[in-house]
Amino acid sequence: EVQLVESGGGLVQPGRSLRLSCTASGFTFGDYAMSWFRQAPGKGLEWVGVIRSKAHGATTEYAASVKGRFTISRDDSKSIAYLQMNSLKSEDTAVYYCTRDRGSYCYMDVWGKGTTVTVSS
Amino acid sequence: DIQMTQSPSSLSASVGDRVSITCRASQGISNNLAWFQQKPGKAPKSLIYAASSLQSGVPSKFSGSGSGTDFTLTISSLQPEDFATYYCQQYNSYPRTFGQGTRLEIK
Repeated sequence: EVQLVESGGGLVQPGRSLRLSCTASGFTFGDYAMSWFRQAPGKGLEWVGVIRSKAHGATTEYAASVKGRFTISRDDSKSIAYLQMNSLKSEDTAVYYCTRDRGSYCYMDVWGKGTTVTVSS
Repeated sequence: DIQMTQSPSSLSASVGDRVSITCRASQGISNNLAWFQQKPGKAPKSLIYAASSLQSGVPSKFSGSGSGTDFTLTISSLQPEDFATYYCQQYNSYPRTFGQGTRLEIK
């Protein structure tokens, strides 16, 4: 069964850092791009960023709202994608989801259940 | 950035009804359009990609159409489990952008 499990969320003070993990199983992780999304309480879905597969250079793209603060990386040997979040702000409070992406244009097919990040003093 | 506009923002319907949700892109996105279903407190579920292709395991009661800037999600024979919020998303370019969502409620 294809599965994605996010972890690492929690309560963090503004200005601090947090690293989220997305652990994959049931498929060849290294063959896929992986994306992160978030959803603030009561709001819609927001794309955070993507990391392409190593075959496509493992390059990354980010939303303007997180560029320079968040970094996506991957460890294909462990089937894990990471979201390193620095200089956190209250507006980063959200449920964070990872997805498996496929196709030449990278559409999402599988979502994790999400992990909650709360940024508050 | 490409703006995605969904309509309506909310919709009331009865079990057995057929409903349609529209999504308009601010510029052409070919058929690089996906639809997602989200229930309260749950992760989104992928329904459709490439505007009209069903994700694996998604029942054929869901159908999508459109190309360019105008797209439609149609759900036939509504069942209680179909009442949820639906989002469209363009993946033609970065940043990926979503519509604001359509909340489908039981009448």
